[in-house]
Amino acid sequence: NAGVTQTPKFQVLKTGQSMTLQCAQDMNHEYMSWYRQDPGMGLRLIHYSVGAGITDQGEVPNGYNVSRSTTEDFPLRLLSAAPSQTSVYFCATTGDLPGEQYFGPGTRLTVT
Amino acid sequence: GESVGLHLPTLSVQEGDNSIINCAYSNSASDYFIWYKQESGKGPQFIIDIRSNMDKRQGQRVTVLLNKTVKHLSLQIAATQPGDSAVYFCAENTGGFKTIFGAGTRLFVKA
Repeated sequence: NAGVTQTPKFQVLKTGQSMTLQCAQDMNHEYMSWYRQDPGMGLRLIHYSVGAGITDQGEVPNGYNVSRSTTEDFPLRLLSAAPSQTSVYFCATTGDLPGEQYFGPGTRLTVT
Repeated sequence: GESVGLHLPTLSVQEGDNSIINCAYSNSASDYFIWYKQESGKGPQFIIDIRSNMDKRQGQRVTVLLNKTVKHLSLQIAATQPGDSAVYFCAENTGGFKTIFGAGTRLFVKA
């Protein structure tokens, strides 16, 4: 059981480039979410999904797209990277209780 | 607006002592609170949770206390060990799957 996996672990982009952060889970959880974590701040919700084919915006969705074609995968796309998107990105699934979240190891993204 | 904050950004304790990490929340409608531990280079890890109809919940070496009157949450770690060194986040669930995280407290354990 791998839990929640994320790739890549590190990424450097130039301003304007696009890329996709991958997230996969083998816990058979319906709910998945993406957060960003900036220094000295808590996690902020970017997008979330309550099941395959359903996605919705979180607190800071601008500049990001998501899709959920399967229960297992929830990729996060940066459309045109900006330095303000330099952050650590975490994918999570939710267990039986709404706040009981299981996080992946994170992707550290730097945009120059 | 909604916010979850922490009283202290860092906490340093001696190995073997008890640690108390505090958290304030502002949304009186929140009915579910969670503590997470985040070690360096890793994602947050669920520690313990508590519902608003409780004022205390105990786990293995950890206790969460909830004071709804003053909107205060605390995490107590008994006999703190070096492996407890991490950043601890409190979070509140405001209904459904929306969880708001605080900024975190870094716990240092001195040997």
